Amino acid sequence: GAVVSQHPSWVICKSGTSVKIECRSLDFQATTMFWYRQFPKQSLMLMATSNEGSKATYEQGVEKDKFLINHASLTLSTLTVTSAHPEDSSFYICSVGLDNNEQFFGPGTRLTVL
Amino acid sequence: GENVEQHPSTLSVQEGDSAVIKCTYSDSASNYFPWYKQELGKRPQLIIDIRSNVGEKKDQRIAVTLNKTAKHFSLHITETQPEDSAVYFCAAGGTSYGKLTFGQGTILTVHP
Repeated sequence: GAVVSQHPSWVICKSGTSVKIECRSLDFQATTMFWYRQFPKQSLMLMATSNEGSKATYEQGVEKDKFLINHASLTLSTLTVTSAHPEDSSFYICSVGLDNNEQFFGPGTRLTVL
Repeated sequence: GENVEQHPSTLSVQEGDSAVIKCTYSDSASNYFPWYKQELGKRPQLIIDIRSNVGEKKDQRIAVTLNKTAKHFSLHITETQPEDSAVYFCAAGGTSYGKLTFGQGTILTVHP
């Protein structure tokens, strides 16, 4: 499988500020990465598909101007939560997609917006 | 789009018993069905998967079965151990750029 890291592992910010989360594929050149959001005791909800060198594809209902995704290299994708509000508090997890459809997840980032 | 339903939402068993979790999917084009185990605050870990050209797959105490006609697949864990306690998610995909749609999750508790 692929080894995936995320940074930071947790972050607390004030309402109205922006937060950037990094997802790195450490041993695999990832053309495709995925960003999920997971609220407590709920399932993983796909937010967007991050494609290296092109614009991300967002799921219905996810605001692309609020959740900015950049996938500038085969090892790094970033998610920026702009103007964060308390309702954005969640567990954000990225994954690396392999050609055979397997996905391997990062350790997640716990975002708390005060 | 794809819709995945997972049951039960919670499952409590005694150590040594078997546990079965079931999922149904809606998109007949889906051809990849992984199962993930997630411990509290941790990342989902792939534990087993099955593809549409196979009806059953086994890996030690874990097995998965797939019924393409009925569009359902199941996870079977035998000889359960307390360390099997976690949330288990099924998923379906393999059609749209590798996207996966996840089920709602099952909280499995194995009592010693």
